[in-house]
Amino acid sequence: DTEVTQTPKHLVMGMTNKKSLKCEQHMGHRAMYWYKQKAKKPPELMFVYSYEKLSINESVPSRFSPECPNSSLLNLHLHALQPEDSALYLCASSQDFGRVTEAFFGQGTRLTVV
Amino acid sequence: GQNIDQPTEMTATEGAIVQINCTYQTSGFNGLFWYQQHAGEAPTFLSYNVLDGLEEKGRFSSFLSRSKGYSYLLLKELQMKDSASYLCAVRRLTGGGNKLTFGTGTQLKVEL
Repeated sequence: DTEVTQTPKHLVMGMTNKKSLKCEQHMGHRAMYWYKQKAKKPPELMFVYSYEKLSINESVPSRFSPECPNSSLLNLHLHALQPEDSALYLCASSQDFGRVTEAFFGQGTRLTVV
Repeated sequence: GQNIDQPTEMTATEGAIVQINCTYQTSGFNGLFWYQQHAGEAPTFLSYNVLDGLEEKGRFSSFLSRSKGYSYLLLKELQMKDSASYLCAVRRLTGGGNKLTFGTGTQLKVEL
């Protein structure tokens, strides 16, 4: 199983809503990532979790709140988003944050903020 | 900071060979990755280089020169399905660990 599964695939939310994006992997990877990708742009790193601890926060606004309940799951809680936050949110995992191994990406959640 | 540059677009013919270049400037270099991304889909891993030289994987090869801050991805026997965005990504060792930063991507169009 080399899959990273993200739910939901599509999400439309209002600026006052609270929603969560979910990511799951069963490859035994100990590093998990959230990326944001706008149309025709490369993915931009948001957060990195290593061994279930937040290792990197790329100065992401607090309206995005990550959570890693266990080694297989990664959530991104959304609250009071702005229309400019509309993007494809990609989750990825890799074997270990400290080693040079490839990251596997999920299919992403396409988020629209109205 | 760091800078990763790739051509924005390239066009090639089915069956031909195409080379996509990537130049980078970064501190703490710890590997260079190539990913393929079809429109609306997730990036998929193609190859990575840590040491100088050529890595070959079927129709795809990737080359790295660390001293020049330069890499290329070589695609042989192009197929229509190879039309996609190709992302060069540099892994950099920071105080918090390894970070993977993507270049702007090269949109490859394969024509008959």
